[in-house]
Amino acid sequence: DQQVKQNSPSLSVQEGRISILNCDYTNSMFDYFLWYKKYPAEGPTFLISISSIKDKNEDGRFTVFLNKSAKHLSLHIVPSQPGDSAVYFCAASVHGNKLVFGAGTILRVKS
Amino acid sequence: EAGVTQFPSHSVIEKGQTVTLRCDPISGHDNLYWYRRVMGKEIKFLLHFVKESKQDESGMPNNRFLAERTGGTYSTLKVQPAELEDSGVYFCASSQVLAGPVGTQYFGPGTRLTVL
Repeated sequence: DQQVKQNSPSLSVQEGRISILNCDYTNSMFDYFLWYKKYPAEGPTFLISISSIKDKNEDGRFTVFLNKSAKHLSLHIVPSQPGDSAVYFCAASVHGNKLVFGAGTILRVKS
Repeated sequence: EAGVTQFPSHSVIEKGQTVTLRCDPISGHDNLYWYRRVMGKEIKFLLHFVKESKQDESGMPNNRFLAERTGGTYSTLKVQPAELEDSGVYFCASSQVLAGPVGTQYFGPGTRLTVL
């Protein structure tokens, strides 16, 4: 039972363009959503989060959008940089407890 | 401020042996979590400590896994006896207990366990 799904295993984007990573969830009890970035041989690094009471949160080049009715969230990176190339994980929790992760999306930003 | 640290970074053992993984959370973080990523799949929750108490151990796969957090500081995760399917990367994460419902979890670099 995969409650958080990232249906795109990989995404390739040209440097300077927008990267859009998508995530769908099934559990309507989730009230906190996070994006993590992971480089090889390192642990996930927190990127940005959003509470279910909001529909958008922005931090520099990173913006997360939440559509509760569709149970969908997305991460926008503008502009994309080669250093953004990594695996991006979407995660969700109920009241900030255990995180439920998606399988990840490999982002490649080409220069 | 030091981040979450884990030791060892890599462990190779034979089936049937015992391995103990250690996690030192960020100072002041009462919440400590263990997660595991197997075969490049999604990262899955194992258990959650609040200080020295186990808050949620619903993700522990079986009784071959034993987690402890003595004194509410560092935590250990022991696998005894190890099986082939235990191979994977074990991550530790910590967060603060806030007045509100959420606290961002910060992850360590992980321990890659290989069971031969």
